[in-house]
Amino acid sequence: DIVMTQSPPSLPVTPGEPASISCRSNQSLLHSNGNNYLDWYLHKPGQSPHLLIYLGSSRAPGVPDRFSGSGSGTDFTLKISRVEAEDVGVYYCMQGLQTPLTFGGGTNVEIK
Amino acid sequence: QVHLQESGPGLVKPSETLSLTCSVSGGSIKTTNYFWGWIRRSPGKGLEWIGSIVYRANTYYHPSFKSRVTIAVDTSKNQVSLNLTSVTAADTAIYYCARRGRAINVIYGFEVWGQGAKVTVSS
Repeated sequence: DIVMTQSPPSLPVTPGEPASISCRSNQSLLHSNGNNYLDWYLHKPGQSPHLLIYLGSSRAPGVPDRFSGSGSGTDFTLKISRVEAEDVGVYYCMQGLQTPLTFGGGTNVEIK
Repeated sequence: QVHLQESGPGLVKPSETLSLTCSVSGGSIKTTNYFWGWIRRSPGKGLEWIGSIVYRANTYYHPSFKSRVTIAVDTSKNQVSLNLTSVTAADTAIYYCARRGRAINVIYGFEVWGQGAKVTVSS
């Protein structure tokens, strides 16, 4: 199985300030077709998870442009340019390259 | 706009079978353009993929569940089902169904999720 490691596990943030979450895999997620099979999800309290970023850097429809994904191979980053109060929740990365699909342990983003 | 709705018993006894249904509205499951997946979140833990199915194609299961899990589609009802046998307290979780797009040479993320079904395993 591909192991996904996220850091930090907890991230206190200040509204208006940037934030960054790291995700690393123990195998490259770069497919021969040139796509990195890495997604980012946000699980807000009391809601279902929702997709933020797919294929490493493509923003899902309706996702604010303050969210961006970058990276390739085994190292990926999710950045929030200016955190808003509604961004609190647990962020997960997920590898979609091979089954079993595996998630990172999550990063709990909370307002300071 | 497609909508997913999970349903099933909220309480299951240990050693029995957990059965959940995901009703799909606003779109047909009779297409090979999507994976239909089940993902759960156990108390105090993160997200865990259980398995996925593609209409008239393959079914994929997490090895941790493989001997206990069955995912199937019911085209007459436009539903995806999850059966998990021999449950224990460790199977207590919120179970989500979700849809993941696929096309030639590319697979997208799980872009549509149900609201989740909370299942407690207890006698």
